[in-house]
Amino acid sequence: AQSVTQPDIHITVSEGASLELRCNYSYGATPYLFWYVQSPGQGLQLLLKYFSGDTLVQGIKGFEAEFKRSQSSFNLRKPSVHWSDAAEYFCAVGRGGSQGNLIFGKGTKLSVKP
Amino acid sequence: DAGVTQSPTHLIKTRGQQVTLRCSPISGHKSVSWYQQVLGQGPQFIFQYYEKEERGRGNFPDRFSARQFPNYSSELNVNALLLGDSALYLCASSLGAGSSYNEQFFGPGTRLTVL
Repeated sequence: AQSVTQPDIHITVSEGASLELRCNYSYGATPYLFWYVQSPGQGLQLLLKYFSGDTLVQGIKGFEAEFKRSQSSFNLRKPSVHWSDAAEYFCAVGRGGSQGNLIFGKGTKLSVKP
Repeated sequence: DAGVTQSPTHLIKTRGQQVTLRCSPISGHKSVSWYQQVLGQGPQFIFQYYEKEERGRGNFPDRFSARQFPNYSSELNVNALLLGDSALYLCASSLGAGSSYNEQFFGPGTRLTVL
């Protein structure tokens, strides 16, 4: 069965520092992978997605993620964190075929220190 | 352009009651999916509808049902509410349903509290 693991429940980084959020997936075929961000009281906003091709994908707000098939990972990175990046981040894998539903990890909460 | 809209924003019910949540997709989108997000967890898939037909169902009891209307809006119904149904219910719309590269756009959610 497909699953997504986000090993870090909560991460705190200083403003201006680099960030890496980890995501590991379990999926039998080529996965469709996504990172979403959720601010308090808000819905989910798509940061970036990977379907095929270049394994380094660029997203909005300066985020990028790298797909590593050998490690079943899709880690999210940002070179310099801003205070406004404080939010919860969700990694998700999409099922192919006739169903388009997403399977989400439990999320990583990011706090940013001034 | 309006994004995905959901109503109501917040809802308080008591155990055993029934609730109906509503979702309007982005104009032109024909697929609507529903997710339940319990506090501290990631969203869990409940249903997907495309062109008024159910395309997928998650691991939820029969107390949960949904439908999609000709204008592609959707309702999620939950009967015989339990305390454990307290959650943020998210609606997502997409152009199609056949594959996951139909990007899903999420609404702000309905916060349901069951007392």
